[in-house]
Amino acid sequence: DAGITQSPRHKVTETGTPVTLRCHQTENHRYMYWYRQDPGHGLRLIHYSYGVKDTDKGEVSDGYSVSRSKTEDFLLTLESATSSQTSVYFCAISPDRAHEQYFGPGTRLTVT
Amino acid sequence: SQQGEEDPQALSIQEGENATMNCSYKTSINNLQWYRQNSGRGLVHLILIRSNEREKHSGRLRVTLDTSKKSSSLLITASRAADTASYFCATVLGRRALTFGSGTRLQVQP
Repeated sequence: DAGITQSPRHKVTETGTPVTLRCHQTENHRYMYWYRQDPGHGLRLIHYSYGVKDTDKGEVSDGYSVSRSKTEDFLLTLESATSSQTSVYFCAISPDRAHEQYFGPGTRLTVT
Repeated sequence: SQQGEEDPQALSIQEGENATMNCSYKTSINNLQWYRQNSGRGLVHLILIRSNEREKHSGRLRVTLDTSKKSSSLLITASRAADTASYFCATVLGRRALTFGSGTRLQVQP
């Protein structure tokens, strides 16, 4: 998976609890992305980063925050998880915005 | 709302047949990309076609782009059971990030 790992791979959590998902890359790519994938919706962009401490919102950013303190790590945080955030979360990286993206293996999150 | 929409949503063919998937999008683009996703896995990039290109080949894949109709097609020739997957188109415009469609599920029967 092009030097991208995601952790954890599976998580079950309760409504109202904070959750942090981690994406780690070894490719030194500038851009990192978080998507969620739900049936019937394809992939929807949550947040992305174009450099250390540089982030921007995607189309479904409400309820999510991100941080990137190092080139290799991009964290996605659900401050107070809700059942609507049950989904599969994918991290992706790319050297620039218009380039092809390389995807991680995904994290399956269930909020009960 | 999504920029790209694939058609059909699902496609079932026999091994050896060709599979054609279409993608329509709404606004101008810089490039259009096709990705494959095997069940339970992340997406894998297949091919990128720029807005000034009309056709591109990669192995058994052929992609066309018609910017006047805002549409693209992905043709997989001589399909194999291993081609069973979901296929997504994604578009890039200006400073925006990639926008994905909802995908075509391809089933290749052995």
